[in-house]
Amino acid sequence: EVQLVESGGGLVQPGGSLRLSCAASGFIFSSYAMNWVRQAPGKGLEWVSTISGSGLSTYYADSVKGRFTISRDNSKNTLYLQMHSLRAEDTAVYYCAKEVVVPAARRFDYWGQGTPVTVSS
Amino acid sequence: DIQLTQSPSFLSASVGDRVTITCRASQGISSYLAWYQQKPGKAPKFLIYAASTLQSGVPSRFSGSGSGTEFTLTISSLQPEDFATYYCQQLNSYPRTFGQGTKVEIK
Repeated sequence: EVQLVESGGGLVQPGGSLRLSCAASGFIFSSYAMNWVRQAPGKGLEWVSTISGSGLSTYYADSVKGRFTISRDNSKNTLYLQMHSLRAEDTAVYYCAKEVVVPAARRFDYWGQGTPVTVSS
Repeated sequence: DIQLTQSPSFLSASVGDRVTITCRASQGISSYLAWYQQKPGKAPKFLIYAASTLQSGVPSRFSGSGSGTEFTLTISSLQPEDFATYYCQQLNSYPRTFGQGTKVEIK
């Protein structure tokens, strides 16, 4: 059974930093791209970042580029999101999601339960 | 960046109704479109990929269609458990944008 469990969220002051983790199990972690998607309170889904299975390719939303870094440790089956220079508008529930990258079947097929991040003084 | 616009943003319907949600892309995305369902306080659940392929286990009352720039999600007979917010997502290019969502509420 595929499981994705996020952790590391919490309350942080503006300008602060936080590192989120997503522990994966139930599939060959290194074979799949992984994503972070966030959802601000009462708002829709916003894609944040993607990392390839090997970790060699990364992609970011413009809203977080230069402040957030996605990474993975395939030996630990864990995905990370390092967040710096946090702003109030980064307040959201952060989900990790597994991606199927077969061209004809791309989708985010499994999602974690989310970890909340609140940026406030 | 590719923008996705869903319509309507809000939909009030009764159990048994046929419901259609439209997702329009600002440029062609072939069939690289997925649909998700989200209930309050829960993570999104993946429903459909490649615009029209149903995920295993998803009830057959759900269907998707379209290609290029216009896509639809149809629920043929709305059930109580279908009241939720639905999102489309394009996976043609980065950024992997989502539509703004369509909230389906009980009439």
